[in-house]
Amino acid sequence: AQKITQTQPGMFVQEKEAVTLDCTYDTSDPSYGLFWYKQPSSGEMIFLIYQGSYDQQNATEGRYSLNFQKARKSANLVISASQLGDSAMYFCAMRDLGGYNKLIFGAGTRLAVHP
Amino acid sequence: SAVISQKPSRDICQRGTSLTIQCQVDSQVTMMFWYRQQPGQSLTLIATANQGSEATYESGFVIDKFPISRPNLTFSTLTVSNMSPEDSSIYLCSGSTTGGTEAFFGQGTRLTVV
Repeated sequence: AQKITQTQPGMFVQEKEAVTLDCTYDTSDPSYGLFWYKQPSSGEMIFLIYQGSYDQQNATEGRYSLNFQKARKSANLVISASQLGDSAMYFCAMRDLGGYNKLIFGAGTRLAVHP
Repeated sequence: SAVISQKPSRDICQRGTSLTIQCQVDSQVTMMFWYRQQPGQSLTLIATANQGSEATYESGFVIDKFPISRPNLTFSTLTVSNMSPEDSSIYLCSGSTTGGTEAFFGQGTRLTVV
C-alpha cells in the first residue's frame, strides 16, 4: 500500500532564510507522481510543485524546489528566501499514475516564518 | 490549469440535517475526488466521483452518508447526510486529468454541525 510520511509536525525559520520540509514515501508502483501543497489558515489547497517518478531533474517553481532522491524514496520541499506569507501548513502527496489517480496525503508540516 | 469553484464556502448546520456541496470546474477533467479534512488533520479521500455512474467509496465511507453525483465532466456534488457534530470538517473537491501533473482543489467548505 502507498504511504506518505512527514515527520516534522512543526518548523520555524527566520525570514529570508531557506527551509527544508521532509517527505518520504512508500510505493511498489514504478510510475507515480509527488505533489506539494500549501494550506493557509483560509483552508484552500494551493498547488506548489510536482515531481514525476521518471523525471531526471529535480522540479523547481520559483522559490520552491523539490529535492527528489528516488533510491531513498524522499521528496523534500525546499523553500528559499522565506517570506512571512509562507507561514502555513504544507502537505506532501503521492499519486499512482497507473491506478485511480487518487492522491494520498502526508500528515503535514506547519511552517512558521519569523521576522 | 483548471479552476474549481466550490460552494458554499462555509456553513453552520443543525444535527440531523443534510448539506449539499457543489463543485464546478471551468474545463473538462477526467477525475474528480472528494476529501474530508477533520480539525487539525490531513486530507482523507472520501470517494472518486465517476461520471454518470455510482461513486467509488474509500473504506470507512458509505453512499448513504455521503451520496455523490457527477452528471457531467465539469460538475459534482457531495451531500453530507444526517449530520452529527463529528461531521464538522473541511470538505474539498479536487479535479485532475488521468496521469496529469497537476491536481486542483476547490476553495473548500468549512462545515460546523451544532
